[in-house]
Amino acid sequence: EVQLVESGGGLVHPGGSLRLSCATSGFTFSSHAFSWVRQAPGTGLEWVSIISGSGDETWHADSVKGRFTISRDNPESTLYLQMNTLRAEDTAVYYCVKSDCSTTGCRLFVSWGQGTLVTVS
Amino acid sequence: DIQMTQSPSTLSASVGDRVTITCRASQDISEWLAWYQQKPGKAPKLLIYRTSGLQSGAPSRFSGSGSGTEFTLTISSLQPDDSATYYCQQYHILTTFGPGTKVHIK
Repeated sequence: EVQLVESGGGLVHPGGSLRLSCATSGFTFSSHAFSWVRQAPGTGLEWVSIISGSGDETWHADSVKGRFTISRDNPESTLYLQMNTLRAEDTAVYYCVKSDCSTTGCRLFVSWGQGTLVTVS
Repeated sequence: DIQMTQSPSTLSASVGDRVTITCRASQDISEWLAWYQQKPGKAPKLLIYRTSGLQSGAPSRFSGSGSGTEFTLTISSLQPDDSATYYCQQYHILTTFGPGTKVHIK
């Protein structure tokens, strides 16, 4: 069974930093690209970042470029999101999301974690 | 960037009704369109991929159609469990989600 479990969310002051983690199991981690998708309270879904299965290619949304960094540890089957210079508008539930294949061109999101709440205030 | 719109933003229908949600893209996305269902307090779930492919485990009352810039999600016979928000997603160039359609059961 595919399991994606996020952690690391919490309350942080504007300008602060936070690192989110997503522990995974139940599949071959390195065979899949992963994304972070966020959802601000009461609003829709916003894609944030994507990383290829090998970890050698990443893309970030313009809204977080230069502040957030996505990374992965394939031997540990874990995904990360380093968030720096946080702003109030980064407040959201952050979902760890598994793609259907391994490259950053694979943007069909087949499995989602339960999410972790980040509050910037 | 490709912008996505959805209509209506909310709808209310009775059990057994046929329901259609429309999603439009600001430019041609070919068939690279997916639909997700999200219930309150839960993560989204993939329903439809590549415009009309039914994701494993999704009920057969859900179907998708369209191409280019206009797409639809149809629920053939609305069930109480279908009360949720539905999002379209283009994955032709990077990815963008629509604003969502909230479906209520009368």
